[in-house]
Amino acid sequence: QKEVEQDPGPLSVPEGAIVSLNCTYSNSAFQYFMWYRQYSRKGPELLMYTYSSGNKEDGRFTAQVDKSSKYISLFIRDSQPSDSATYLCAMSAANNDMRFGAGTRLTVKP
Amino acid sequence: DAGITQSPRHKVTETGTPVTLRCHQTENHRYMYWYRQDPGHGLRLIHYSYGVKDTDKGEVSDGYSVSRSKTEDFLLTLESATSSQTSVYFCAITRGPNTEAFFGQGTRLTVV
Repeated sequence: QKEVEQDPGPLSVPEGAIVSLNCTYSNSAFQYFMWYRQYSRKGPELLMYTYSSGNKEDGRFTAQVDKSSKYISLFIRDSQPSDSATYLCAMSAANNDMRFGAGTRLTVKP
Repeated sequence: DAGITQSPRHKVTETGTPVTLRCHQTENHRYMYWYRQDPGHGLRLIHYSYGVKDTDKGEVSDGYSVSRSKTEDFLLTLESATSSQTSVYFCAITRGPNTEAFFGQGTRLTVV
């Protein structure tokens, strides 16, 4: 079993839809949680960064962390075609050993 | 964009040959990382460096070595390339541990 599980999709939604992306993990030592967005043939770029449990909102993006369930989510409101990309969850413990999910490919159709 | 340059961007090489990939940064970040990205596996850490001449192994280090003689350069070497090392390789940098990672554009390596 992988330390970080992420549904690879692909996920296709109409423009304006609310998108929910999720990851589960098994290592209870993880305390830093991130979401990266990766466009085709580009390097990943950081979208959201959270420490420990709770919610964090940035514009149309909301990240949620539930450490008791070992579950993190990224919500995208009013999705746009420009949101079409692969979304990677990532997490690390205090030892700086970051682990990534396999990525979910999202397509937002106009 | 963070100042990270990977070279080459694409390479095709034969099994058994040595290959060196270069990562160059202009951000003066202390930490540098090499990842490989494969379908179904996401990004996996190969090696990382926490300072000049200070390196450590990651999750998938077998068959790879690294060197960092200057803050700005981090080299990844495949001593004897195998087909299983066909992948997209990403360099990343962070200012400190568990801080935002900035990634390069990637190097697409094919071993035939």
